[in-house]
Amino acid sequence: DQQVKQNSPSLSVQEGRISILNCDYTNSMFDYFLWYKKYPAEGPTFLISISSIKDKNEDGRFTVFLNKSAKHLSLHIVPSQPGDSAVYFCAAYTSGTYKYIFGTGTRLKVLA
Amino acid sequence: DTAVSQTPKYLVTQMGNDKSIKCEQNLGHDTMYWYKQDSKKFLKIMFSYNNKELIINETVPNRFSPKSPDKAHLNLHINSLELGDSAVYFCASSPRTAGNYGYTFGSGTRLTVV
Repeated sequence: DQQVKQNSPSLSVQEGRISILNCDYTNSMFDYFLWYKKYPAEGPTFLISISSIKDKNEDGRFTVFLNKSAKHLSLHIVPSQPGDSAVYFCAAYTSGTYKYIFGTGTRLKVLA
Repeated sequence: DTAVSQTPKYLVTQMGNDKSIKCEQNLGHDTMYWYKQDSKKFLKIMFSYNNKELIINETVPNRFSPKSPDKAHLNLHINSLELGDSAVYFCASSPRTAGNYGYTFGSGTRLTVV
């Protein structure tokens, strides 16, 4: 019963180009969505979030888009940099549950 | 000056042993969590404590027991370790209602049961 899915296990992008990471969900009760970035041998670190009442949130090079009708969100990184190479997890949260449901991650490799 | 620290970072042990993983946070957060990342890379919640009170107890074998002596510490005890317990265990903390703010994770404990 995977409520949050990241169907692309890996993605390679040339430095300076756009990286687009995708995430699909099934539970319409989610009211916050977050992206985490994880380097090897480290814990995930919070990157950016979006409330379910919005369709876009931007923070520097990172933008998250939410399409509630399609139950789909995406993370855009522009321009991509080699330091962005990491595993990216999307996560979803329902108020009152105190927990996030995570996707399985997408490994992004930015080629110099 | 680590915000969420876990010890040990690596743990190799034999089947049947009992082991503990410790976690401490210095962020003043009210809520702490244990997550397990298995071989398929799923990050799944196991337990959560809010101000020393257990608020989440997912379907986890009762060989796993969390203990929170105060709101800055959440330890994980595992009895009678099995091969399937091999995974990376992450501790995390958050303000009471994580919502938009996310967790702060520790760097993980890689447990290998042989």
